[in-house]
Amino acid sequence: DAMVIQNPRYQVTQFGKPVTLSCSQTLNHNVMYWYQQKSSQAPKLLFHYYDKDFNNEADTPDNFQSRRPNTSFCFLDIRSPGLGDAAMYLCATSREGESFEKLFFGSGTQLSVL
Amino acid sequence: DAKTTQPTSMDCAEGRAANLPCNHSTISGNEYVYWYRQIHSQGPQYIIHGLKNNETNEMASLIITEDRKSSTLILPHATLRDTAVYYCIVLPSGNTPLVFGKGTRLSVIA
Repeated sequence: DAMVIQNPRYQVTQFGKPVTLSCSQTLNHNVMYWYQQKSSQAPKLLFHYYDKDFNNEADTPDNFQSRRPNTSFCFLDIRSPGLGDAAMYLCATSREGESFEKLFFGSGTQLSVL
Repeated sequence: DAKTTQPTSMDCAEGRAANLPCNHSTISGNEYVYWYRQIHSQGPQYIIHGLKNNETNEMASLIITEDRKSSTLILPHATLRDTAVYYCIVLPSGNTPLVFGKGTRLSVIA
């Protein structure tokens, strides 16, 4: 009965080799987020979409890009992964217009960079 | 510019109430207090939120002081499955992305 689905659960890539992480949702929420969580740290917001409107956090490296082809899917592209990009990547959704911020998170993709 | 302060870690005996404090002394009048938790290897999960009144749902209770400068999340009968990192977050209503602080690591002990 998963609502926010991230695939794969574990992803291994090589230093400098582009990688794409995917997220899909069955909630029909118009807002989607990508967070990065390094070991023993809190999740850090990378960017988010209100529908197709992209909002980048000021300190998100250019190496990180995102695509949202439709309401249900969102992708995180890392153009040239470095060792420091190894982390859990979390996708979340919410509904704009709600009076409060209730986010639904996926289980995350654990990225390893060799 | 952390808006909240939480203890780094806490222990709680199984079956007892877990009381997790949060200090948010600079909270503005239009800002809500949210609580999320993150169980190991899972995404964060919404627990509860409030503005100034105390709130209760099936997961927890939220007690907010009258001056709104601090709050306490209460898990009335903690179980081992409540072991997690608990995040207290303050932000205005609607359309403002969540920014996580360091949270409190709660360990429920048998």
